[in-house]
Amino acid sequence: QVHLQESGPGLVKPSQTLSLTCTVSGGSISSAGYYWSWIRQHPGKGLEWIGYSYYSGSTYYNPSLNSRVTVSVDTSKNQFSLKLNSLTAADTAVYYCARCSGSLHAFDIWGQGTVVTVSS
Amino acid sequence: QSVLTQPPSASGTPGQRVTISCSGTSSNIGSNTVNWYQVLPGTAPKLLIYRNNERPSGVPDRFSGSKSGTSASLAISGLQSEDEADYYCAAWDDSLNVHWVFGGGTKLTVL
Repeated sequence: QVHLQESGPGLVKPSQTLSLTCTVSGGSISSAGYYWSWIRQHPGKGLEWIGYSYYSGSTYYNPSLNSRVTVSVDTSKNQFSLKLNSLTAADTAVYYCARCSGSLHAFDIWGQGTVVTVSS
Repeated sequence: QSVLTQPPSASGTPGQRVTISCSGTSSNIGSNTVNWYQVLPGTAPKLLIYRNNERPSGVPDRFSGSKSGTSASLAISGLQSEDEADYYCAAWDDSLNVHWVFGGGTKLTVL
């Protein structure tokens, strides 16, 4: 049973860079056919896909965030990470890591989510 | 403003059948499959339906999905109190700026 767990700071200052890590347990991040993803939910709003990375390093990002976001995979640690720079209060959200299955064409496993507040 | 449109709320009594709609465009629902997710309070989102109408192992057959044109629906029959949750639809969008898009979510209340 694959399990995902987010970790990172809960409070970040405006203009700084958010760094979150998702640890994958119960399976290998190098397994073929999966895209390792970040998704967020602003307070009281719907879900927003941020981007994902294949274990090989190929990345795909939401065009609205493309210039500020980096998703990367560390196969040696079985982790993947999110970096989002130039933060503003509008980036305050619950951030989820998730696995996107190529065969199901769906996000089939999700982490519990971590609350990130951008405030000085 | 979410790309896919869902009603903000829905409700039903135990045992009833409820449906939740999801409306999109030709570049997302119209040309790609739809997924549905259930978010119970304080828990991780759970994949409920994939490829329009397929259920992952462990999801009761009370949950079913359908798609027609640029719209999709999630139906829950034999409504139970534990079905009270937020439900989101999602689809890949083939527009110039390709990416995954979600609905704004529907809060289901079991009366």
